[in-house]
Amino acid sequence: AQSVSQHNHHVILSEAASLELGCNYSYGGTVNLFWYVQYPGQHLQLLLKYFSGDPLVKGIKGFEAEFIKSKFSFNLRKPSVQWSDTAEYFCAVNMNRDDKIIFGKGTRLHILP
Amino acid sequence: GAGVSQSPSNKVTEKGKDVELRCDPISGHTALYWYRQSLGQGLEFLIYFQGNSAPDKSGLPSDRFSAERTGGSVSTLTIQRTQQEDSAVYLCASSLTGINTDTQYFGPGTRLTVL
Repeated sequence: AQSVSQHNHHVILSEAASLELGCNYSYGGTVNLFWYVQYPGQHLQLLLKYFSGDPLVKGIKGFEAEFIKSKFSFNLRKPSVQWSDTAEYFCAVNMNRDDKIIFGKGTRLHILP
Repeated sequence: GAGVSQSPSNKVTEKGKDVELRCDPISGHTALYWYRQSLGQGLEFLIYFQGNSAPDKSGLPSDRFSAERTGGSVSTLTIQRTQQEDSAVYLCASSLTGINTDTQYFGPGTRLTVL
């Protein structure tokens, strides 16, 4: 079955640490890839997305993600996190060009001040 | 402009009762999505509307769940004979065209608690 896996359920980092959140999907065809973020008390919002072109995608707030087709991965990175990055992060994948997006279970990121 | 709104924000109901959850998408957005977010389970796709029609209902967990959209705008998700396992946050999202590269804009959700 098509699925999206986020390896880390809960990540705790100190400010200025580097961040990498893993995302893998199980589908061999064409995909569109998204990272959404939910800050405390706020709505889910798009962080970045990839659907074609340069596999290194830059999003808001200094986040970036790299699509590695051979590894079926779309990991999220940030070189230096801030306390305000505390949130829950969801990887999402659209597979087979259909209309549905499948979300991962999310990673809760807690940044210590 | 106004974002996606949902009502009520919280709903507590007794097992066996019916509930209706409402979603007002961003004006002009043709696509509307319903998701369910349970603790530790991520977002579970329920149903997708393009205009007033629902080309994909595959995520509805049982025949107790139904949804409709009228006037290409407001959508209602109805859960009949609620069960405790229906307790979750129900999220609505809309997108401009519904094509698969579109950004989805999410509402604040309705937290449903079934006692």
